[in-house]
Amino acid sequence: SQQGEEDPQALSIQEGENATMNCSYKTSINNLQWYRQNSGRGLVHLILIRSNEREKHSGRLRVTLDTSKKSSSLLITASRAADTASYFCATGGYSTLTFGKGTMLLVSP
Amino acid sequence: KAGVTQTPRYLIKTRGQQVTLSCSPISGHRSVSWYQQTPGQGLQFLFEYFSETQRNKGNFPGRFSGRQFSNSRSEMNVSTLELGDSALYLCASTGQGSDTEAFFGQGTRLTVV
Repeated sequence: SQQGEEDPQALSIQEGENATMNCSYKTSINNLQWYRQNSGRGLVHLILIRSNEREKHSGRLRVTLDTSKKSSSLLITASRAADTASYFCATGGYSTLTFGKGTMLLVSP
Repeated sequence: KAGVTQTPRYLIKTRGQQVTLSCSPISGHRSVSWYQQTPGQGLQFLFEYFSETQRNKGNFPGRFSGRQFSNSRSEMNVSTLELGDSALYLCASTGQGSDTEAFFGQGTRLTVV
């Protein structure tokens, strides 16, 4: 079963623009993670935010978490063509992740 | 250090056959998890092995099984293949300690014809 639901399902932007993806989840969590997947390959861990954190930054990534609304957002600033990928939020234990359906991001040069 | 290695990368099998996929985790990682990814169902957790024991299991039929060896390498087996088993199978290894992330392999693309 899917824990998270990403929104939008697909997003198309130009290089240099910001991309925002949202994730909603159903049950209480200890942490929430974001992963990137390039064209049907393996997933790459981007960032983890704990339930007692509201915002976290990593390079051009900014993640927010609102546990009262059971939602999280991932902001990628100054997008590049290389950011083209699918992005997934995930909850659960570190080795038993429950993923959302993902947002497909297309960044055009 | 080397990442998670999955073999083979691609497989084509016929309905009714069985298949074995292999995963070598990052050195020192004792937890190996398997996921199935399909366009319809997305990413779904299959099972997790830790120190040669299945520690967690997802909601999949008994045709899906796995095991882990003493060197932490893991295999998953699917018996009596069905068309719906066509998917990308991903393996992830996780270290110990708090806030440890899962490291994924490149996956095995299984096509059942």
